[in-house]
Amino acid sequence: QKEVEQDPGPLSVPEGAIVSLNCTYSNSAFQYFMWYRQYSRKGPELLMYTYSSGNKEDGRFTAQVDKSSKYISLFIRDSQPSDSATYLCAMSGGSQGNLIFGKGTKLSVKP
Amino acid sequence: GAVVSQHPSRVICKSGTSVKIECRSLDFQATTMFWYRQFPKQSLMLMATSNEGSKATYEQGVEKDKFLINHASLTLSTLTVTSAHPEDSSFYICSASHGGGGISDTQYFGPGTRLTVL
Repeated sequence: QKEVEQDPGPLSVPEGAIVSLNCTYSNSAFQYFMWYRQYSRKGPELLMYTYSSGNKEDGRFTAQVDKSSKYISLFIRDSQPSDSATYLCAMSGGSQGNLIFGKGTKLSVKP
Repeated sequence: GAVVSQHPSRVICKSGTSVKIECRSLDFQATTMFWYRQFPKQSLMLMATSNEGSKATYEQGVEKDKFLINHASLTLSTLTVTSAHPEDSSFYICSASHGGGGISDTQYFGPGTRLTVL
């Protein structure tokens, strides 16, 4: 089992839809959870950073962490065509000092 | 704030040549810089971690003599792909962090360099 699993998609939604992106992980020591957005042929851009379990909201974006289920989510409300990108989850913690990335989910928001 | 640049953004070279990629933190001092490689439809794979003024720490399976990393200052790290081969063609991305690269440090990524080896 890979340390971080993420459905690569692609995921296509109409403009205005609520998008749910998810990752599961196997290492219970992970404590820091991030979501990055990566546009085609660009470097990842940090969207959300959360520590341990709970929710964090920033504008149209909400990150959720459920450590008991080893499951993290990113919700995008009122999705826009400009949200079309690949979304990568990443996490670290315990003896794993480096960031471990998911494969990324490619999202397409259609006008 | 926290802007990281990379140069060049794209490079095409012949097999057997060496290519140098620069990574700069523009508005902060990066104690630690990371180099990643990303193949199409794959996730970012960490190649090495470098701290300013010390030798880089390479991940398992990454040849340190092939991928030379220099972190000479708090704002500049370079990755040199020596004797490049077609299988080295990939998207190389650097990131930088303010702190010591610990598990809670945020990494800020550069825009990436696409290397194509003919």
